[in-house]
Amino acid sequence: EAGVAQSPRYKIIEKRQSVAFWCNPISGHATLYWYQQILGQGPKLLIQFQNNGVVDDSQLPKDRFSAERLKGVDSTLKIQPAKLEDSAVYLCASSRLQTAGNTIYFGEGSWLTVV
Amino acid sequence: DQQVKQNSPSLSVQEGRISILNCDYTNSMFDYFLWYKKYPAEGPTFLISISSIKDKNEDGRFTVFLNKSAKHLSLHIVPSQPGDSAVYFCAARIQGAQKLVFGQGTRLTINP
Repeated sequence: EAGVAQSPRYKIIEKRQSVAFWCNPISGHATLYWYQQILGQGPKLLIQFQNNGVVDDSQLPKDRFSAERLKGVDSTLKIQPAKLEDSAVYLCASSRLQTAGNTIYFGEGSWLTVV
Repeated sequence: DQQVKQNSPSLSVQEGRISILNCDYTNSMFDYFLWYKKYPAEGPTFLISISSIKDKNEDGRFTVFLNKSAKHLSLHIVPSQPGDSAVYFCAARIQGAQKLVFGQGTRLTINP
């Protein structure tokens, strides 16, 4: 079974520029998550989709961050304009709709550096 | 508001000995707890979990203990191996939701 795929793996941009990250979840996983992990901290949920609907985006900075999951499969996370404090690893994860133990599977992450 | 806390940023253990990683939580609505392991430049990988109705779950060298009255859980690794060197995250699920709340992580180093 293929894992969660993310791209690009690394990105360096200047502040005020824009960036987009792409995620392809594990086949059959209805729930998709975007987490932000700042160095030295644990992952923080930005947005959670169930199929193509948003379940939770309470911690998404909506003035600069946006995400979509068209057709309930792939997802993109966009940041525009980027700030220095957005430097982090952006982790995409997925899970089945009803999972015993609620195992969430993570991709390798997209590392963003804003300079 | 840090609902899940891992108060030790790092831990160093001799190979073959027991590693004990600790985690405290504040939200009584958590119904499931998980440990994830993260190597550098990789995403977190699921290690072991425990339901809030249990007090112990074991999987090979890994055992998780839950003390609900103290709102505390711990991960025991015995015997510790060099490949166990990684950052370990404690995570908790809010009852009725699928999202996880993570602690800050503990970097475990196993010395030969």
